[in-house]
Amino acid sequence: DGGITQSPKYLFRKEGQNVTLSCEQNLNHDAMYWYRQDPGQGLRLIYYSQIVNDFQKGDIAEGYSVSREKKESFPLTVTSAQKNPTAFYLCASSIRSGTSASYNEQFFGPGTRLTVL
Amino acid sequence: SQQGEEDPQALSIQEGENATMNCSYKTSINNLQWYRQNSGRGLVHLILIRSNEREKHSGRLRVTLDTSKKSSSLLITASRAADTASYFCATAYYNQGGKLIFGQGTELSVKP
Repeated sequence: DGGITQSPKYLFRKEGQNVTLSCEQNLNHDAMYWYRQDPGQGLRLIYYSQIVNDFQKGDIAEGYSVSREKKESFPLTVTSAQKNPTAFYLCASSIRSGTSASYNEQFFGPGTRLTVL
Repeated sequence: SQQGEEDPQALSIQEGENATMNCSYKTSINNLQWYRQNSGRGLVHLILIRSNEREKHSGRLRVTLDTSKKSSSLLITASRAADTASYFCATAYYNQGGKLIFGQGTELSVKP
């Protein structure tokens, strides 16, 4: 089956700890994205990557870091510097059009719910 | 912020009725997309409408785009209890490097 997977589904972290959320896709998409969703809210972009070994900050990148060493993988690390990390995290991917922007539909994973204890 | 606005924030209807959700945006767009999210799940893409299109259909879904008013609407006809979900519009602005800007969403409840 083609798709995008995230693990784990639920994650608990103690304050002061870093934690890494996994995102893998086998859709052969160039572009990948990380979003944060708080209760009753829309999605806010954390980081995105249009191509392997390149990524850009989104609107709320502070306290987060990413890497894009492989086309199919885009892990997100929530660092201890993130003041309020409890949220629902969603990863997405899309086909990349042209040389820069990707205006195409995005395919989402099932999400990871992170709770800081 | 270029985040669009959706209204209503919440909508409750009976099965069989139509549901209409609206989305407004700020500046020129490449396209506007609608997504659905069931509680606690990821988003699912419904429809993409380009800036040079005025209307698109997919099954019981009808999306319109009015670029002069910078607004779009999603109509779900003959709604079913299974349509209960949150619906988000997402705009692909030309000056945002291909990023999608999501609205706050409309929470739809369809009662049997």
